[in-house]
Amino acid sequence: EAGVAQSPRYKIIEKRQSVAFWCNPISGHATLYWYQQILGQGPKLLIQFQNNGVVDDSQLPKDRFSAERLKGVDSTLKIQPAKLEDSAVYLCASSLDPTTSAISYEQYFGPGTRLTVT
Amino acid sequence: GNSVTQMEGPVTLSEEAFLTINCTYTATGYPSLFWYVQYPGEGLQLLLKATKADDKGSNKGFEATYRKETTSFHLEKGSVQVSDSAVYFCALGPNYQLIWGAGTKLIIKP
Repeated sequence: EAGVAQSPRYKIIEKRQSVAFWCNPISGHATLYWYQQILGQGPKLLIQFQNNGVVDDSQLPKDRFSAERLKGVDSTLKIQPAKLEDSAVYLCASSLDPTTSAISYEQYFGPGTRLTVT
Repeated sequence: GNSVTQMEGPVTLSEEAFLTINCTYTATGYPSLFWYVQYPGEGLQLLLKATKADDKGSNKGFEATYRKETTSFHLEKGSVQVSDSAVYFCALGPNYQLIWGAGTKLIIKP
């Protein structure tokens, strides 16, 4: 089965520019997550979708970050305008719907997008 | 609240040495526990998991046992290889969000 796909793999932008990341989850996975991973730290959840609805976006800096998941499949995460502190790896993950699956909350990750803001 | 504490790294071992990476947790209820591995330049991969007390997860020679009495899920491997060099994350799944440890970098020298 195909894994979680993300693009681009690397992006370098200047501060105050905008950037967008794309994620295609594993087929049939209802839940999609975007994480921010700063070098040397664990992943920080930015937003979680269940199908095309937002379950949790409490840690998403909504003044500059936005995300959508149209049609409950692909998702995009946008930063506008970027700041230096946004330099990180942005990880997308997906999982089965935990309300219907007997498999307990196993998340599958994409390769990530490494963002450098200069 | 829920939390995960991992031993700080880096952990440096020689090839064929025995590995233990400690992970303890605080949680209410009966969460699932996971170990994820991140190889250089790659995303996170699930290494093993355990869904209830006394379960043992295992994969690629790594093992971890869900110990409710000590609230621990320590990762072990009997004989490490250079290819095991990576960052290892312990995670807690009380619901469909994961609580992550800070990660432990493992360096294996030939």
